[in-house]
Amino acid sequence: ETGVTQSPTHLIKTRGQQVTLRCSSQSGHNTVSWYQQALGQGPQFIFQYYREEENGRGNFPPRFSGLQFPNYSSELNVNALELDDSALYLCASSRTAGNTEAFFGQGTRLTVV
Amino acid sequence: RKEVEQDPGPFNVPEGATVAFNCTYSNSASQSFFWYRQDCRKEPKLLMSVYSSGNEDGRFTAQLNRASQYISLLIRDSKLSDSATYLCVVNIIRRGGGADGLTFGKGTHLIIQP
Repeated sequence: ETGVTQSPTHLIKTRGQQVTLRCSSQSGHNTVSWYQQALGQGPQFIFQYYREEENGRGNFPPRFSGLQFPNYSSELNVNALELDDSALYLCASSRTAGNTEAFFGQGTRLTVV
Repeated sequence: RKEVEQDPGPFNVPEGATVAFNCTYSNSASQSFFWYRQDCRKEPKLLMSVYSSGNEDGRFTAQLNRASQYISLLIRDSKLSDSATYLCVVNIIRRGGGADGLTFGKGTHLIIQP
């Protein structure tokens, strides 16, 4: 086990709704990254948080936003859900932003109907 | 051109055989390289980091060729439990800090047959 936990594990939402996904990082890790994995694809980088600040962002629209808390846990928020947002959302924890070995949580499978 | 390219397979291999995967990456600024393993509907798990000098972990050997921009993974004496999707991953360190995250290939699907 990686010690990275995500909640919920599964979620069904309606198009146009908003969703919040949560991640607890591994003990001793201060960096959390979020990825979206569509069926049959590799994970795509959404953004990274390091010490409560966004430290980098992939090619995702502003309706994807996040937070990191003082205990280094993190949230991913998606507004105005679209059908194409249906995917596995993965949180990855790293010891620090410069350390690129990343350990993934089990993911949240989001279905938008 | 995709940033990280892998043959999606599937590779159907008899138990006990040796199998090799390659992957190519397009960005010469890539700094760190990894192989991850992903089982069906599960999260990716770090299999091994890949170093320029090559590295071995039990039955697994990884090689990096920076000049040709490719990474390889060799699995010897394959087991049924090796059946999974193997993801080739690179990381680019931005000048001035910040992160681009890990860039994943689509993965190579391996099926070990008894």
